[in-house]
Amino acid sequence: DGGITQSPKYLFRKEGQNVTLSCEQNLNHDAMYWYRQDPGQGLRLIYYSQIVNDFQKGDIAEGYSVSREKKESFPLTVTSAQKNPTAFYLCATRGSYSNQPQHFGDGTRLSIL
Amino acid sequence: KQEVTQIPAALSVPEGENLVLNCSFTDSAIYNLQWFRQDPGKGLTSLLLIQSSQREQTSGRLNASLDKSSGRSTLYIAASQPGDSATYLCAVTSGTYKYIFGTGTRLKVLA
Repeated sequence: DGGITQSPKYLFRKEGQNVTLSCEQNLNHDAMYWYRQDPGQGLRLIYYSQIVNDFQKGDIAEGYSVSREKKESFPLTVTSAQKNPTAFYLCATRGSYSNQPQHFGDGTRLSIL
Repeated sequence: KQEVTQIPAALSVPEGENLVLNCSFTDSAIYNLQWFRQDPGKGLTSLLLIQSSQREQTSGRLNASLDKSSGRSTLYIAASQPGDSATYLCAVTSGTYKYIFGTGTRLKVLA
């Protein structure tokens, strides 16, 4: 969707290395999300943030960390503790109200070297 | 625990055919349901959002219906075109910030 920028498009991680995926939005949305997508599986929630300086763990938060220092930005760090990080990572946003739709970025594909 | 199922996992149809994609959910206490399209290697594009109080939503050749009591939603695509080929996903929320996604239906429209 326009207004959500994920970078880089492709990322490679070496063993023992932390990597950070960027998500920036100009939609002025309060809520931001990180999902992981694996072949044949639905999207799984890693972390979400409802407001600046606040975030909650999703269903598969182990091995990941996030920060929300600015409304526009919600970076995801994949740490060396995540033993199976190869996946497609999607960032999403939503307005303040539950009756508003989610919008997605174009994703980052992370692979292991 | 809410579970969302989409059957079939894959579907091939000839161009011009009208088709229906299905989405089932186990807990009827949903706030809304959203349909998305995903092209290979891309993010999700929002197609339609149906609030729990609504029965259907329409956008162009797309019509989505919602039956909360039976835990079902359908996405109707009229006069399908090769450009409609993609994976279609549905997601439900109970009104919190969390969404549960189905695994999608991969559609191929043959020219």
